[in-house]
Order: sequence, then C-alpha cells, then structure tokens
Amino acid sequence: QVQLQESGPGLVKPSETLSLTCTVSGGSVRSYYWTWIRQSAGKGPEWIGRIYSSGNTNYNPSFRSRVTMSIDTSKNQFSLKLTSVTAADTAVYFCAREDPESSGWYLAWLDPWGQGTLVTVSS
Amino acid sequence: EIVLTQSPATLSLSPGESATLSCGASRSVSSNYLAWYQQKPGLAPRLIIYDASKRATGIPDRFSGSGSGTDFTLSISRLEPEDFALYFCQHYDSSPVTFGGGTKVEI
Repeated sequence: QVQLQESGPGLVKPSETLSLTCTVSGGSVRSYYWTWIRQSAGKGPEWIGRIYSSGNTNYNPSFRSRVTMSIDTSKNQFSLKLTSVTAADTAVYFCAREDPESSGWYLAWLDPWGQGTLVTVSS
Repeated sequence: EIVLTQSPATLSLSPGESATLSCGASRSVSSNYLAWYQQKPGLAPRLIIYDASKRATGIPDRFSGSGSGTDFTLSISRLEPEDFALYFCQHYDSSPVTFGGGTKVEI
C-alpha cells in the first residue's frame, strides 16, 4: 500500500528556512493532491497547504507569505519550505495524500499520512 | 474558516465500555464533509471515518460516525485495548480545512 515518509533537519535556527521532503512509496504521486500538516504540542493539527501532481498549489492564508511547496514526479517526492521560522513553528510536521476524486468535491479527507517528523526551532 | 471544537478533551474508560466523542462546527458543514482520525504516539494518524459516517477500509464496525450540520459524533462500542488513543475530527467543506483539538481516550 502507499506509504509516506517525511525527512529533513530536526533543528532549525530562528529566522532561517525549514525544509522538509516527503517520499511516497508503493504508489505514484501523479493524479493526487499532497498535503502538509503540522501539529504543535498539545494542539490539534493545522493544515499548511497542498500541491497537485501538476504543481498547482493551495496554501493556508495563515502561512501564504512564508510557504512554498514543490513536487518532483520523477523522484516521487514533494517538499515544503517555510521561511523566517520562529519558535512558534516548532511542531511535528506530517505529509498526507488527498484524493478529491474520491470525495466528489474539491477537497477531501487525508489518507494515508506519514508518521511525522519533529522540527524544533531554536538557536 | 470553520472552527471545530471537540469534547470532552479526555475520556477515561475501561476496555469493553463504549465511547462517545463530539465534534462541533462553528458553522454548518455542507454535505457532511467531515472525517475522523485516530492518532497514536510515533505512528501515522489513521483515517477512521469519512463523509461523517462512512468507515474507512479495514476499520472495524465497532467504530461509527453520525451527525450533520454543526454536530458530529464518533462512537466506539466495546473498546478494545488498541482503541485507546487520540482522536480528532477534520472538515473538508471549504479551504482552509481545519481540525479539532482532539479527544484523548484513555484507560
């Protein structure tokens, strides 16, 4: 079955750029939306945004000025960059697949998810 | 954006008992575009319910979802040891999608 695995630095300095990659195995990134979510300690998850296999993106307005997502179909990977990070960006970051064709709507549930990677912003 | 509020924050139960988890929306969620997930430490969150009441593949029938509009419920009958976890809801009515704060089901 499709599996997702996040990777990237676990520690980022304040004001620098957080960069993460999600590798998809057991299936292709083509024809799906791929989503980034984060979860701070003790809080519910927060949707950062998504990217389609064509490269089209939708971002949460809360992050729009700082976030960039990209996709590499040849490597079956997609990536997240979040600039000008602060301690408030410390969280577990998850990637997940979204398939609006299944929901019949332009949005859908997320399935499957990666297990997440903790990113700490600290000097 | 739609704000989802889950209650209670923690549910203390024993194996074999039933659990009822609530998810309230700040405005009506159209077409029941609501999902529930189970999360355990260090593991990928798992989809339990989508479209408010449809069980995801491989989810046992002791899990059921109900509700519409602004009030949704996840029910777990006959709790098994592996059901003790964090559960959160998510709407996909409009962008940005949002999640509830979660309910922890603990022994």
